[in-house]
Amino acid sequence: KNEVEQSPQNLTAQEGEFITINCSYSVGISALHWLQQHPGGGIVSLFMLSSGKKKHGRLIATINIQEKHSSLHITASHPRDSAVYICAVHGGSQGNLIFGKGTKLSVKP
Amino acid sequence: NAGVTQTPKFQVLKTGQSMTLQCAQDMNHEYMSWYRQDPGMGLRLIHYSVGAGITDQGEVPNGYNVSRSTTEDFPLRLLSAAPSQTSVYFCASSYWTGGYEQYFGPGTRLTVT
Repeated sequence: KNEVEQSPQNLTAQEGEFITINCSYSVGISALHWLQQHPGGGIVSLFMLSSGKKKHGRLIATINIQEKHSSLHITASHPRDSAVYICAVHGGSQGNLIFGKGTKLSVKP
Repeated sequence: NAGVTQTPKFQVLKTGQSMTLQCAQDMNHEYMSWYRQDPGMGLRLIHYSVGAGITDQGEVPNGYNVSRSTTEDFPLRLLSAAPSQTSVYFCASSYWTGGYEQYFGPGTRLTVT
């Protein structure tokens, strides 16, 4: 079993829809990251969180440490949100990340 | 700041050739790491460094060497390229801020034939 599981693997939405991507992990963590990767592009950090909730524009990330679960929400989705969203956790020492396999989001106009 | 830079962006090697992927950061981050990204596998840690002169192995270190002579540079060496090393390679640097805030380079797409 992977230490970081994401769901769904693929997600297609219509522009304007509310989107939720889920991440569950099985290891103790110091922080969880949500990353974004556009097709053929680099990786950008969206959020790092260790408790509660963070918001940046139309993106919201939440984490429940007791349940070992995090969600990434996108409100009023737009075609430019189409990307792979990756959940990653600090499971070991020295800042090493353990990654989920990513959720490929496609937002249709 | 340029952030994290990687060169080359694309590379094609023949089996058995060696090469070095370059990574540099100008943010004075102590922690740097190399990941590879393969379809269906997610990103996996190859090697990492917690500061100049200190390196350690990650999940998939075989076939790769690293060194960290300065805080800025963290090159990844492929000793004898194999088709299994065809992948996209990302370098990252990070610093502690209640968790390690991550900065990724743009990636190097390597094909070994």
